[in-house]
Amino acid sequence: EAGVVQSPRYKIIEKKQPVAFWCNPISGHNTLYWYLQNLGQGPELLIRYENEEAVDDSQLPKDRFSAERLKGVDSTLKIQPAELGDSAVYLCASSPDGKNIQYFGAGTRLSVL
Amino acid sequence: QKEVEQNSGPLSVPEGAIASLNCTYSDRGSQSFFWYRQYSGKSPELIMSIYSNGDKEDGRFTAQLNKASQYVSLLIRDSQPSDSATYLCAVNIGGTYKYIFGTGTRLKVLA
Repeated sequence: EAGVVQSPRYKIIEKKQPVAFWCNPISGHNTLYWYLQNLGQGPELLIRYENEEAVDDSQLPKDRFSAERLKGVDSTLKIQPAELGDSAVYLCASSPDGKNIQYFGAGTRLSVL
Repeated sequence: QKEVEQNSGPLSVPEGAIASLNCTYSDRGSQSFFWYRQYSGKSPELIMSIYSNGDKEDGRFTAQLNKASQYVSLLIRDSQPSDSATYLCAVNIGGTYKYIFGTGTRLKVLA
């Protein structure tokens, strides 16, 4: 069974440019999470989806970040415009319905110059 | 904001010793507790989950939970150099599927 797939693995952009990350969760997993992880820190939740509905986006900086999960499967996370402080690893995770287990993707390492 | 606290380390133990990693949390409504291992440059990997007070053993790993003290720990017996990683404690918020992670404890097992 394939795991959570994220792309790209690495992204280098200049500040003020837009950037998008893509996540394909494990097949059948209805819950999808986007986390941000800074160096030396634990993952911090940005947004959680149940199917196509964003059930918790309280920590998503909505002035520049947006996310979508069309058809309740793949998801994209966008930043526009990117700032220097957005440099971090963006992790996607998915969970089977009703289960307290998260499976993480390999992450996208973003560097904003 | 609910908090999960861990000592950032590094915690250094000799090969074959017991490594003890600790985590405290602030939300008394939390019901589920997790330990993730994260190798440098890699994504977190779930190694243990615990839901009830007491101990839960899985191979060389033992998770301990004390809800009254709001404390969860991870013991690694017979530590190996391959156990060297950052260990993240995660706690769910109330009865939700929202999780708060600690900053992680970096473990170094010295050969």
